[in-house]
Amino acid sequence: QVQLVESGGGVVQPGGSLTLSCAASGFTFSSYGMHWVRQAPGKGLEWVAVIWYDGNRKYYADSVKGRFTISRDNSKNTLSLQMTSLRGDDTAMYYCARVTGSYMNDYWGQGTLVSVSS
Amino acid sequence: QTVVTQEPSLTVSPGGTVTLTCASNTGAVTSAYYPNWFQQKPGQAPTALIYSTTSKHSWTPARFSGSLLGGKAALTLSGVQPEDEAEYYCLLYYDNLGVFGGGTKLTVL
Repeated sequence: QVQLVESGGGVVQPGGSLTLSCAASGFTFSSYGMHWVRQAPGKGLEWVAVIWYDGNRKYYADSVKGRFTISRDNSKNTLSLQMTSLRGDDTAMYYCARVTGSYMNDYWGQGTLVSVSS
Repeated sequence: QTVVTQEPSLTVSPGGTVTLTCASNTGAVTSAYYPNWFQQKPGQAPTALIYSTTSKHSWTPARFSGSLLGGKAALTLSGVQPEDEAEYYCLLYYDNLGVFGGGTKLTVL
């Protein structure tokens, strides 16, 4: 069965950095695009970034462009999100999700919580 | 700035029918935006319901359906069940960039 497990969340000071990971299993990871989506406490979903199956195309929301980097290691079935220059409004639950080339979103992980606070 | 708008809240009676909509400030929503719909219950990750405007996942209950309605993407629930009380989000794509709507809180009362 498809499983996505996020990790790497925690408390970080403003201006700091953190790298999130998403371990994928139960499917051919290298055949699918992957998203990161976040949700601030009590707020709605916010699309963050996408990386296509081969890692050659990456797209970011304006709110994170230049600060966040999405990447993948298809040999290790792992998706990553490197976050730098973190701000208070980056505080959120971060989810990874699978997406196909026709923009079908299907499976989501359970999320990892990032808190940016001094 | 691209903005996707949903009704903030709706109320429906058990067994009733309700339609949630998803509008774009750039104009009419078409299938080229690949509308997706998600359900989220408190404390849980979102669950995918609909993709490519009308297509259902294998786990999507038959009472959920997607469509285009009056220039918007729409999610219709027919024969609403108490367990359908949740937050619902649409997601539209603009040249590879995704934008979520603000969500609709559906109350079954």
